[in-house]
Amino acid sequence: DGGITQSPKYLFRKEGQNVTLSCEQNLNHDAMYWYRQDPGQGLRLIYYSQIVNDFQKGDIAEGYSVSREKNQSFPLTVTKAQKNPTAFYLCASKEPPRQGGTGELFFGEGSRLTVL
Amino acid sequence: KQEVTQIPAALSVPEGENLVLNCSFTDSAIYNLQWFRQDPGKGLTSLLLIQSSQREQTSGRLNASLDKSSGRSTLYIAASQPGDSATYLCAVLTTDSWGKLQFGAGTQVVVTP
Repeated sequence: DGGITQSPKYLFRKEGQNVTLSCEQNLNHDAMYWYRQDPGQGLRLIYYSQIVNDFQKGDIAEGYSVSREKNQSFPLTVTKAQKNPTAFYLCASKEPPRQGGTGELFFGEGSRLTVL
Repeated sequence: KQEVTQIPAALSVPEGENLVLNCSFTDSAIYNLQWFRQDPGKGLTSLLLIQSSQREQTSGRLNASLDKSSGRSTLYIAASQPGDSATYLCAVLTTDSWGKLQFGAGTQVVVTP
């Protein structure tokens, strides 16, 4: 089935560690996104990528890093510099409107990161 | 900058009643507007997407309308069921936003049996 796979679903991190969240999609979408969701708040954009080997900072990129070496993969690293990393992280990809698509956004199931 | 607001933040209705969820946005130069459902601890599921040239979209008991001139979209859920209990979010893609969507904070819905 086509879709977006995020792993791990739950992750615990000690202070001072970097952790990497995986996001893989087999929808052949060019655009991919990482969002952070905190309790009672809306989604905030961390990073996004419109095409392989290119990515842009979102609204809250500090303390995070990404790479886009393959079209289907967009991993997010939460660095030890991120002061408050405990949150629910969501990865998404978007159907390209320029190729006749609707621009619809599809999400993975999310990864919950907890700092111990 | 595009701002998206969803009011109310929470809503409780008895089973069978129709649900009306509101989404307003400040910049009418949108490409599309999308409604999502989120269950606790889960990702977002796309419900309906309305292109800027459309006035409404329908899927089963769901109907979403779009009025760009007033900066509003409304999601109607007919004959609500307890399984409709979830948080509903709207997201707007603005034409000059380089692919970045702006999300509302969501409306948390509880349908009581």
